[in-house]
Amino acid sequence: DQQVKQNSPSLSVQEGRISILNCDYTNSMFDYFLWYKKYPAEGPTFLISISSIKDKNEDGRFTVFLNKSAKHLSLHIVPSQPGDSAVYFCAASEMNYGGSQGNLIFGKGTKLSVKP
Amino acid sequence: DVKVTQSSRYLVKRTGEKVFLECVQDMDHENMFWYRQDPGLGLRLIYFSYDVKMKEKGDIPEGYSVSREKKERFSLILESASTNQTSMYLCASSSSGTPRVNEQFFGPGTRLTVL
Repeated sequence: DQQVKQNSPSLSVQEGRISILNCDYTNSMFDYFLWYKKYPAEGPTFLISISSIKDKNEDGRFTVFLNKSAKHLSLHIVPSQPGDSAVYFCAASEMNYGGSQGNLIFGKGTKLSVKP
Repeated sequence: DVKVTQSSRYLVKRTGEKVFLECVQDMDHENMFWYRQDPGLGLRLIYFSYDVKMKEKGDIPEGYSVSREKKERFSLILESASTNQTSMYLCASSSSGTPRVNEQFFGPGTRLTVL
């Protein structure tokens, strides 16, 4: 059973508008969450993360919101740019310093298309 | 900057061949991982390693093995390649320390086609 779900396989947004990518998780032991961005024929690159002691983390145009009670997080991109077009993966883990609990559990990804 | 390199960007092999995918990281990371990425299935963990000569099965280890003889190098082996192993293979590494615990750094990927 999927522990991390990204229910929207794709999202299309106009340049300059807000992109909102959603992610749900089921394991209450997860306490650290990451977003990765992936262009075709390249490896994923880290975008932004949040620990469970926070409900918001911001980095430039990117903000991640965490709602622990709903087991839901979202990535907001404002304003969206054509170069943001990529696949975005949500990942979750239990924060520790070794052992399989430190593995990342990935969602299936959401393909974002930002149209000029 | 962390660098994770993979031996090949594109590889074409025949069914039944033995295939080696090599991954090297230059940041002295303890942890290394092999994933495969398929459309609609996301990233699936094949094997991982938290130390030299140590390996653990991920979610889909069948048909694969790994080797970690040196800290910086993690190899994925397909003993007898099959067409259902056609995929994008991604290697990653991470440190067990701070600041962003569990953040993984990925290589560029190897697109393997098995004919």
